Amino acid sequence: GESVGLHLPTLSVQEGDNSIINCAYSNSASDYFIWYKQESGKGPQFIIDIRSNMDKRQGQRVTVLLNKTVKHLSLQIAATQPGDSAVYFCAEMDSSYKLIFGSGTRLLVRP
Amino acid sequence: GAVVSQHPSWVICKSGTSVKIECRSLDFQATTMFWYRQFPKQSLMLMATSNEGSKATYEQGVEKDKFLINHASLTLSTLTVTSAHPEDSSFYICSASSEDSYNEQFFGPGTRLTVL
Repeated sequence: GESVGLHLPTLSVQEGDNSIINCAYSNSASDYFIWYKQESGKGPQFIIDIRSNMDKRQGQRVTVLLNKTVKHLSLQIAATQPGDSAVYFCAEMDSSYKLIFGSGTRLLVRP
Repeated sequence: GAVVSQHPSWVICKSGTSVKIECRSLDFQATTMFWYRQFPKQSLMLMATSNEGSKATYEQGVEKDKFLINHASLTLSTLTVTSAHPEDSSFYICSASSEDSYNEQFFGPGTRLTVL
């Protein structure tokens, strides 16, 4: 979702359910994308990445989907756990290896 | 491997003073380091990119005379916020990449700066 002022969009899910976090990126020429998890007061933590020549990549409990036609990324977390509660950012890497971060989504996991 | 540290983790200073933040790559040589700023409930915004031994490249709108960046060695970059003001209060995060993997940035834990 889009950031509106100081309010991060929030996704609230029940523990054990699957979570889907969406992100729109800006540059159609970007060829590398990363999802990061950020807990309060900490730096971003790498979750999973994907290159533009792929449309899906799976990790442990996480899957990233890339739709280049509409410049859209999604992060799927299976069997969401309380420890997954954090803010999630997508980022695209430009041609000079700089990261451009999306606005972020807060994931809240209800016990 | 690929650990990046920052020091201090938090700092409180008076308006008008200068504050230095260190970013170190502990187990690899960081040919490039990046400095980001993050305001509450907002995303990370790139401030500048520094390559070891070269002057930093600043993003548009970032004052290079206010945010001094030094990357004098392959394991250390410093960000000095000069004449800090309350609006400079933010979370400053560095990241580092090596010559072997330009597309991998390893992030530090961040430094919380509060200017009174």
